[in-house]
Amino acid sequence: DQQVKQNSPSLSVQEGRISILNCDYTNSMFDYFLWYKKYPAEGPTFLISISSIKDKNEDGRFTVFLNKSAKHLSLHIVPSQPGDSAVYFCAASLFYNQGGKLIFGQGTELSVKP
Amino acid sequence: DAGVIQSPRHEVTEMGQEVTLRCKPISGHDYLFWYRQTMMRGLELLIYFNNNVPIDDSGMPEDRFSAKMPNASFSTLKIQPSEPRDSAVYFCASRRRATEAFFGQGTRLTVV
Repeated sequence: DQQVKQNSPSLSVQEGRISILNCDYTNSMFDYFLWYKKYPAEGPTFLISISSIKDKNEDGRFTVFLNKSAKHLSLHIVPSQPGDSAVYFCAASLFYNQGGKLIFGQGTELSVKP
Repeated sequence: DAGVIQSPRHEVTEMGQEVTLRCKPISGHDYLFWYRQTMMRGLELLIYFNNNVPIDDSGMPEDRFSAKMPNASFSTLKIQPSEPRDSAVYFCASRRRATEAFFGQGTRLTVV
């Protein structure tokens, strides 16, 4: 049972435009959400996070939006750059409950074209 | 800090052989996770530990898989016997409570 889903395996965007990556989850108890970025032959690296008590968190070009009623979060990258090309994973956690299990989605491969 | 350290980086083994993957978490982190990356399921959680105690191993695919954490600075994931379908990249990650997790570089396992 996939509790965190990223339904788009890939996304292609032109440099300078906005990239929007989407993620859905099923467990309403999740209280913390994270996005990770992964380059080939490397481990995932943390990008940005959001607590369930917020609906938006911004860090430079990256913004994460959380819609709890829809059990949906998204990552916006503006403007997109070729160096952003990577696989992006969303993750959900029970940070403050049940010992901190961290569950990831399938990933979305972003390609930013010059 | 050197980050999460995994060894080996690559492992090629024959079907039926025992494989042991190793992980050294970041000092002071009390959670350790083992993940397997597959195309279909993304980063699949296999097992995680809190203060060296296994908390949830429901993601371990079969009895052929086992994991241990004898102390706060070392964990192993063992596959015995290995099968070709176990071929994947295995990641170890660690974190403190209520913070992001840090990943190692991964071990690429190929079972032939």
